[in-house]
Amino acid sequence: QKEVEQDPGPLSVPEGAIVSLNCTYSNSAFQYFMWYRQYSRKGPELLMYTYSSGNKEDGRFTAQVDKSSKYISLFIRDSQPSDSATYLCAMSEGYGGSQGNLIFGKGTKLSVKP
Amino acid sequence: EAGVTQSPTHLIKTRGQQVTLRCSPISGHTSVYWYQQALGLGLQFLLWYDEGEERNRGNFPPRFSGRQFPNYSSELNVNALELEDSALYLCASSFYRTAYNEQFFGPGTRLTVL
Repeated sequence: QKEVEQDPGPLSVPEGAIVSLNCTYSNSAFQYFMWYRQYSRKGPELLMYTYSSGNKEDGRFTAQVDKSSKYISLFIRDSQPSDSATYLCAMSEGYGGSQGNLIFGKGTKLSVKP
Repeated sequence: EAGVTQSPTHLIKTRGQQVTLRCSPISGHTSVYWYQQALGLGLQFLLWYDEGEERNRGNFPPRFSGRQFPNYSSELNVNALELEDSALYLCASSFYRTAYNEQFFGPGTRLTVL
């Protein structure tokens, strides 16, 4: 079992749709959860981060973490063609953990059609 | 504020050659991470440097090596290049002592091995 599983898609939705992106993980030591957006041939851009369980909202984006189920989600409301990108979930144990690096999912490719 | 910078942007090498990639972190960041993003494999952690020391290493052969300089910039060296080393090499930086250890990525160096 991989540490982080993410459905690679591709996911195609019409403009204005609500998009749900998800990741599952196996390492219960993960405490910090992040979502990155990566446009084609560019480096990943940090979109949102959350600590432990709970929700966090930022504009059209909502991140949810359910540590009991080892499941995280990113919701995009009123999706726009400019949201078309690959979305990567990433996790870490955080400062003091055994690893400083992030563990990434493989990414979900999202296409928002006008 | 300048982001993470990487050079060169593109490289074409042949099998058996050696390559050096460079990364300059965001000002104030002391940690540098190197990731490999090969087609279909997602981001794979290579190396983590903090305060000039190698802190962690991913599951890559010893021909992948690097270092961090006193100004926190970093080099990634790959010896005896193989075809499967063709990938986007991403550098990220963070100030590790913050709880979230948010990592910010550069645009990457695209390496093609022929």
